[in-house]
Amino acid sequence: GAVVSQHPSWVICKSGTSVKIECRSLDFQATTMFWYRQFPKQSLMLMATSNEGSKATYEQGVEKDKFLINHASLTLSTLTVTSAHPEDSSFYICSAIYSGSKDEQYFGPGTRLTVT
Amino acid sequence: AQSVSQHNHHVILSEAASLELGCNYSYGGTVNLFWYVQYPGQHLQLLLKYFSGDPLVKGIKGFEAEFIKSKFSFNLRKPSVQWSDTAEYFCAVISGNTGKLIFGQGTTLQVKP
Repeated sequence: GAVVSQHPSWVICKSGTSVKIECRSLDFQATTMFWYRQFPKQSLMLMATSNEGSKATYEQGVEKDKFLINHASLTLSTLTVTSAHPEDSSFYICSAIYSGSKDEQYFGPGTRLTVT
Repeated sequence: AQSVSQHNHHVILSEAASLELGCNYSYGGTVNLFWYVQYPGQHLQLLLKYFSGDPLVKGIKGFEAEFIKSKFSFNLRKPSVQWSDTAEYFCAVISGNTGKLIFGQGTTLQVKP
């Protein structure tokens, strides 16, 4: 149980275009979803926290107008990288928790974004 | 600011060797502690967690970790590693007042057959 999926698993886009990444909780209702960014050989950095039906809370230094997060339902959150640039190339990982998970986050497999 | 520090960035062991990966955190209040593993090409999986109670926590695949509050540490151990343990290991902490999961830098473990 507690499976989280992400789509796509990898994407290549041209500089200036926008890319949408989906995060779904497959077998539970996610009270909260988190978006992380992971650079090669580095740790995961929290970008934002989102709750269904409300605006996401962004971490300091994360541009909310560039990284648009929509949490439309209890099983789906989307991250849209707008006007992507090569420096946005990274591994984006989402996670989710449910009311009974007691701080344990369930992670998606990640999405590799390459901006050319 | 809260931080998590993993001392070993890259560890190379032979099969059957014992493993200990260090993890220290900076927050002095109530914390929940986690070790996650990321196998090549796969997503993060929870190895074990500590919320309260017995400071020696046993996880999956023979891993264990010991919470030493006085040392702000939560080191991961395994008495005998296998080639299949080759992966990236992350220590993570949630502090009581933020609810945010803070990750350490990660340790790459390479087990030679």
